[in-house]
Amino acid sequence: DAKTTQPNSMESNEEEPVHLPCNHSTISGTDYIHWYRQLPSQGPEYVIHGLTSNVNNRMASLAIAEDRKSSTLILHRATLRDAAVYYCILRDWEAAGNKLTFGGGTRVLVKP
Amino acid sequence: DAGITQSPRHKVTETGTPVTLRCHQTENHRYMYWYRQDPGHGLRLIHYSYGVKDTDKGEVSDGYSVSRSKTEDFLLTLESATSSQTSVYFCATGGLAGGLAYNEQFFGPGTRLTVL
Repeated sequence: DAKTTQPNSMESNEEEPVHLPCNHSTISGTDYIHWYRQLPSQGPEYVIHGLTSNVNNRMASLAIAEDRKSSTLILHRATLRDAAVYYCILRDWEAAGNKLTFGGGTRVLVKP
Repeated sequence: DAGITQSPRHKVTETGTPVTLRCHQTENHRYMYWYRQDPGHGLRLIHYSYGVKDTDKGEVSDGYSVSRSKTEDFLLTLESATSSQTSVYFCATGGLAGGLAYNEQFFGPGTRLTVL
């Protein structure tokens, strides 16, 4: 599976935007970019995914570089509830099993 | 939220004893997965299932077996538990149909297993 690189941690102030970078320089044409987050003492939850175009949903926005070698997850107004570990994952839609390979993620701290 | 439950939620056992963890879903998803998570690490896939009685290995399958006799249930068995299998175990499910369900995995609350 293609690998991703994320900063270990980031801090943000409440109600300010958070930009979480992810590098995936070896991404292939069949890789989707997925983001999941894991709140303390919970299982991961889906945030957003995309292939080539930028994507928005109620939780976040995903900005994908034109060459697809990097992407940025944007939390528009961080709340205390957004404090979590955020995982950037590449999923090959041609691979069997619809599997996800988790890396270390970015731990986001939101300060009041 | 997807209806995924795991049982037990906490278990303490001794080295050498068999342990079975259960994952139950009410979403009729085709795929089911077992992951483990150790301190300071992301999740690692143990085994997954792509249908009833259809399973395959993940990246850390040694020492684990799985079974899926019906769509709703996916069992993870540690035949002879070792201290290195102390971990938090997460079950996940995912659909096959088009749309969000195909892309998204839904995770259960986790089972904390301690092997003494």
